Amino acid sequence: GQNIDQPTEMTATEGAIVQINCTYQTSGFNGLFWYQQHAGEAPTFLSYNVLDGLEEKGRFSSFLSRSKGYSYLLLKELQMKDSASYLCAVEGGSYIPTFGRGTSLIVHP
Amino acid sequence: SQTIHQWPATLVQPVGSPLSLECTVEGTSNPNLYWYRQAAGRGLQLLFYSVGIGQISSEVPQNLSASRPQDRQFILSSKKLLLSDSGFYLCAWMSLGGARTDTQYFGPGTRLTVL
Repeated sequence: GQNIDQPTEMTATEGAIVQINCTYQTSGFNGLFWYQQHAGEAPTFLSYNVLDGLEEKGRFSSFLSRSKGYSYLLLKELQMKDSASYLCAVEGGSYIPTFGRGTSLIVHP
Repeated sequence: SQTIHQWPATLVQPVGSPLSLECTVEGTSNPNLYWYRQAAGRGLQLLFYSVGIGQISSEVPQNLSASRPQDRQFILSSKKLLLSDSGFYLCAWMSLGGARTDTQYFGPGTRLTVL
């Protein structure tokens, strides 16, 4: 089976750095996705990690440790528009992503 | 570039009525296609996925069905809607780009309310 855990909610201050963790236990692993979802909208793709280590894309970085079943999304220089849900999804065998419940991030001034 | 369309954007249907949601993808061929449902305050639940025309796999047994009549068209249907079918329905396609570039893109979604 698949089990993916993320914190339900986090708050942070504008301009700060926040790390959103994701732990997983899955049967089979091809890669791990991170998505951003604003209220009432569809998720948008942020990153895909298949190898261990840190991948940086501008203000957003994603880290993966396959041996620990652990990933995090790092958001730097937070902006108000970063307030959204962040979804972790693990791609198991057969290219089927399984999603966690998401972390609601609230950025305040 | 690739785009994904879904319609309608919103839908209000009475219990027991039929349903048909359509998803089409442009700019790619032979994509993997997915239907997800997101209930209020909950995560994305995979309903169906398809690796080719006429090939449908169901993840959750329920009163919904899916069909893929053309390579880039994916349809979600129901003969009789239940109250529990309310939610945000998302179609997605996956680009299989090799070891480091798999990417899954979502359509804009259909918000379904069953009354």
